[in-house]
Amino acid sequence: EAAVTQSPRNKVAVTGGKVTLSCNQTNNHNNMYWYRQDTGHGLRLIHYSYGAGSTEKGDIPDGYKASRPSQENFSLILELATPSQTSVYFCASGEDRGYAEQFFGPGTRLTVL
Amino acid sequence: QQQVRQSPQSLTVWEGETAILNCSYENSAFDYFPWYQQFPGEGPALLISILSVSDKKEDGRFTIFFNKREKKLSLHIADSQPGDSATYFCAASPSGSWQLIFGSGTQLTVMP
Repeated sequence: EAAVTQSPRNKVAVTGGKVTLSCNQTNNHNNMYWYRQDTGHGLRLIHYSYGAGSTEKGDIPDGYKASRPSQENFSLILELATPSQTSVYFCASGEDRGYAEQFFGPGTRLTVL
Repeated sequence: QQQVRQSPQSLTVWEGETAILNCSYENSAFDYFPWYQQFPGEGPALLISILSVSDKKEDGRFTIFFNKREKKLSLHIADSQPGDSATYFCAASPSGSWQLIFGSGTQLTVMP
């Protein structure tokens, strides 16, 4: 069954540390996305990718990097984590066409102390 | 500046009632409006969607009403069930784009 999985599901990090969030999709979708979800803000786009080797900045990219080494995998990297990056992060995949449904993973809850 | 606004932030209804969730937008270029449903501990999932050429879309107990002139839409959940308790996100997409702009969500609780 096609799916989007994320790891880890929960993560506690220290301020200034490096954090890598991983996402894998079996939908064979070209597009992948990283969002963060915070109360009062809904889902906000951090980075996205059109395919292996590509990464693009979304609406709130500051403090984040992304990597798309293959069609299936898309990582979000926090080089120097800060408490303001405490949030729930969602990865999604979708077809590269207009009006395409986005399929979301279960999320990663990140706490930066 | 929030391009997609939702109200109310939270809503409680009794089982069997119709829940009405509201959404408004600012950008006239938006022409696709999906609603995503999210249960606690899970990612959002597409529930129902509408294109701006339509003023109504039904799928079972779920209906979207769309008013292009006022840039408003609403999701009506008829005969609400406790299993409908979730957070509902209204989203919008510019014409032909894959990009989704999400509202802040409405948390719905259906009391048995």
